[in-house]
Amino acid sequence: QVRLVQSGAEVKQPGASVRVSCKTSGYTFTSYYIHWVRQAPGQGLEWMGWIHPNSGGTKYAQKFQGRVTMTRDTSITTAYLDLTRLRSDDTAFYFCARVEYNGGWFPSHYWGQGTLVTVSS
Amino acid sequence: DIVMTQSPGSLAVSLGERATINCKSSQSLLYSHNRKNYLAWYQQKPGQPPKLLISWASYRESGVPDRFSGSGSGTDFTLTIGSLQPEDVAVYYCQQYFDTLGALTFGGGTKVEIK
Repeated sequence: QVRLVQSGAEVKQPGASVRVSCKTSGYTFTSYYIHWVRQAPGQGLEWMGWIHPNSGGTKYAQKFQGRVTMTRDTSITTAYLDLTRLRSDDTAFYFCARVEYNGGWFPSHYWGQGTLVTVSS
Repeated sequence: DIVMTQSPGSLAVSLGERATINCKSSQSLLYSHNRKNYLAWYQQKPGQPPKLLISWASYRESGVPDRFSGSGSGTDFTLTIGSLQPEDVAVYYCQQYFDTLGALTFGGGTKVEIK
């Protein structure tokens, strides 16, 4: 079965960087995009961007340009989200989601469990 | 980016009664080539990731109770819970996946509670 398992919670100081991983299994890793979505405590869902595991191509939301990098390691079917220069308002749950693209996007059936990143001094 | 506006922000409905959530997009989500609306509805419960309920505006995903239904086209969409059950208490989000070049934006969410 399809599974996306994310790394554990992180606590970071302002100005630091964080890496969240998304280990996938149960499907062909290079055939589906990985999207990242975050959710501040008690707030709504915010789309951050995607990576195409086959090519490594990425698209980032304008809000995160310059601070976010999405990468992948196809040998271990894992996607990564790096966020730098952390601020207190980056405190959020970060989710990865598997998304199909076939002439257009499809909705996200499969999600990771979420990783809480807390930014605090 | 396409802006998604949900209303209301929250609603309280009696058990067995109908709940209606609206979602409006800043541009049409109807792709003329295949006549599909690129609009999904998700349910999110505390401590969980979103769960896909409805895709293509009105297609109910496998295993989703038939009290959930989606309707609408173009820029205006509705999620209806026909007879509210205790397990339906959650936050519901719409999402457009029409924009192939930009962000796949979500609505702000609607919190559904029992009255």
